[in-house]
Amino acid sequence: IAGITQAPTSQILAAGRRMTLRCTQDMRHNAMYWYRQDLGLGLRLIHYSNTAGTTGKGEVPDGYSVSRANTDDFPLTLASAVPSQTSVYFCASSEGLAADTQYFGPGTRLTVL
Amino acid sequence: GQNIDQPTEMTATEGAIVQINCTYQTSGFNGLFWYQQHAGEAPTFLSYNVLDGLEEKGRFSSFLSRSKGYSYLLLKELQMKDSASYLCAVRDSNYQLIWGAGTKLIIKP
Repeated sequence: IAGITQAPTSQILAAGRRMTLRCTQDMRHNAMYWYRQDLGLGLRLIHYSNTAGTTGKGEVPDGYSVSRANTDDFPLTLASAVPSQTSVYFCASSEGLAADTQYFGPGTRLTVL
Repeated sequence: GQNIDQPTEMTATEGAIVQINCTYQTSGFNGLFWYQQHAGEAPTFLSYNVLDGLEEKGRFSSFLSRSKGYSYLLLKELQMKDSASYLCAVRDSNYQLIWGAGTKLIIKP
């Protein structure tokens, strides 16, 4: 069982380019999340999805979009990347929003120049 | 605003006990989580408290006082592999996790 996979592992991107970070889980979890982690700050929620077909905004959604076409996949898109989006991005999943555990993917390190 | 406070860094000796504190002010409360994160890796789940009191899991224990907005993570019989960051997070009234910046724990031989 892989759990949660993310791709790419790392990426260097020119400002203004479009980028999609991929996230796939094989645990059949209903809820999925995207976080960013910056030095000296806690993880911050970007977007989440309670179940396939629904999405919601987290604490820092501006500049990002998500879709949840099926249970397993939850891609995060940066329509026009800016340097302030340089960060480590983690995808996570849980059985539901009220579950007692969130499981994290290995992360994507994104640098926007 | 919502706020989670925990010490930035702590140092302890192998074999000893360390307590990492977390205080919070959030819009509602639906549980408190502790995660461990080794450098360059993903966070991994340690514990979950939703009621007051102590939850024990092997060498790790977590305590919660909702009236005081306070939790601690207790690590016993410290091992070198326990060197990591420890993240405190509170689930708010919207069922979103609010995270502290993490406590970097350094274990010395």
